[in-house]
Amino acid sequence: GQNIDQPTEMTATEGAIVQINCTYQTSGFNGLFWYQQHAGEAPTFLSYNVLDGLEEKGRFSSFLSRSKGYSYLLLKELQMKDSASYLCAAMDSNYQLIWGAGTKLIIKP
Amino acid sequence: NAGVTQTPKFRVLKTGQSMTLLCAQDMNHEYMYWYRQDPGMGLRLIHYSVGEGTTAKGEVPDGYNVSRLKKQNFLLGLESAAPSQTSVYFCASCQRETSTDTQYFGPGTRLTVL
Repeated sequence: GQNIDQPTEMTATEGAIVQINCTYQTSGFNGLFWYQQHAGEAPTFLSYNVLDGLEEKGRFSSFLSRSKGYSYLLLKELQMKDSASYLCAAMDSNYQLIWGAGTKLIIKP
Repeated sequence: NAGVTQTPKFRVLKTGQSMTLLCAQDMNHEYMYWYRQDPGMGLRLIHYSVGEGTTAKGEVPDGYNVSRLKKQNFLLGLESAAPSQTSVYFCASCQRETSTDTQYFGPGTRLTVL
């Protein structure tokens, strides 16, 4: 079957660095997406990886290892506004997104 | 440019009632999707459309119907609502010229079925 696993909740301190891990199993693979979702709001796109390696975009970076079925989202210089849920989604062979349940990130001052 | 909009934002139904959720996008996107989001679970695809006049079933289609009569609109219908359909419903759209195309989400409809 198809499955996405990510931690339910993480806590970090303002100004610090946090890494949110995601493992996936899909029928075929056409890329890995990360979305941010603030409470009560819609998910918004953060990053996309289809090749192995690290993609950096400002304070956020995303890494992919296709052989391990593994990705992580790295958030640097954490700010209070980064408190949100982070959704990992893998695109399968039919170009459908398979979504994880999301990681709720709590930032403490 | 409003992006993706959804109507209504909130709704309370009684078991057995029917309703239609409206999604509209002004980005000229070909692909549109309806998801539901429940606590502790990932977004689950209900139905989707790859263009005007087409619809297809997703992961959890039972109890729902959809129509895409105009390219910019995607309607989700509940013919006889059940408490199990209490959820937050998100509509999304994308152009899908390549597999990297991002899905853009509407603000969601919070539905409670009593």
